[in-house]
Amino acid sequence: GQQVMQIPQYQHVQEGEDFTTYCNSSTTLSNIQWYKQRPGGHPVFLIQLVKSGEVKKQKRLTFQFGEAKKNSSLHITATQTTDVGTYFCAGSGGSNYKLTFGKGTLLTVNP
Amino acid sequence: EADIYQTPRYLVIGTGKKITLECSQTMGHDKMYWYQQDPGMELHLIHYSYGVNSTEKGDLSSESTVSRIRTEHFPLTLESARPSHTSQYLCASSELRAGLNIQYFGAGTRLSVL
Repeated sequence: GQQVMQIPQYQHVQEGEDFTTYCNSSTTLSNIQWYKQRPGGHPVFLIQLVKSGEVKKQKRLTFQFGEAKKNSSLHITATQTTDVGTYFCAGSGGSNYKLTFGKGTLLTVNP
Repeated sequence: EADIYQTPRYLVIGTGKKITLECSQTMGHDKMYWYQQDPGMELHLIHYSYGVNSTEKGDLSSESTVSRIRTEHFPLTLESARPSHTSQYLCASSELRAGLNIQYFGAGTRLSVL
């Protein structure tokens, strides 16, 4: 079955430093989504990438989808304490609507 | 903000009890999902539904069952709870719109089986 690997599992940064999490799928994806889960909260949708090589930005967040549509990354520039949480990538293959979630990267930010 | 509700938020129960976790959404979404998530860990899909009277098992084997008699309601039932069922259960719903299939999550039910 489809597997989605995500690294690193944990990342601790000083406020103002950059942060990147990487996602790799064992199969080609039709699209990839990113979610953020605050401590004690539930996952909240951030963005969806569909096209090969796609790059999208949301303020300090930059999302990329690989040319082969098997990998993706999320980069945060100049982290803030409000960025704390677990970032999950979730891949979808084919025409179904199921998502396979990566294990997530827990980001902690030291003020 | 999405309108998807889960009850109860917290449940502590003894081994062998039958429990039902409720999930309701008022967005009219046709697709609904149940995930199991241990603290700080990944989400595992245990059940999903693409519409009324449609239910499928997810990627993670689960002893729970679900039903989808109404569009807005997707309850999950454990016939006989065991300590291994202790976890957080997250319900989500989605609808394909403008090429996006965003999943909206409820606040979750934290289940502890003693």
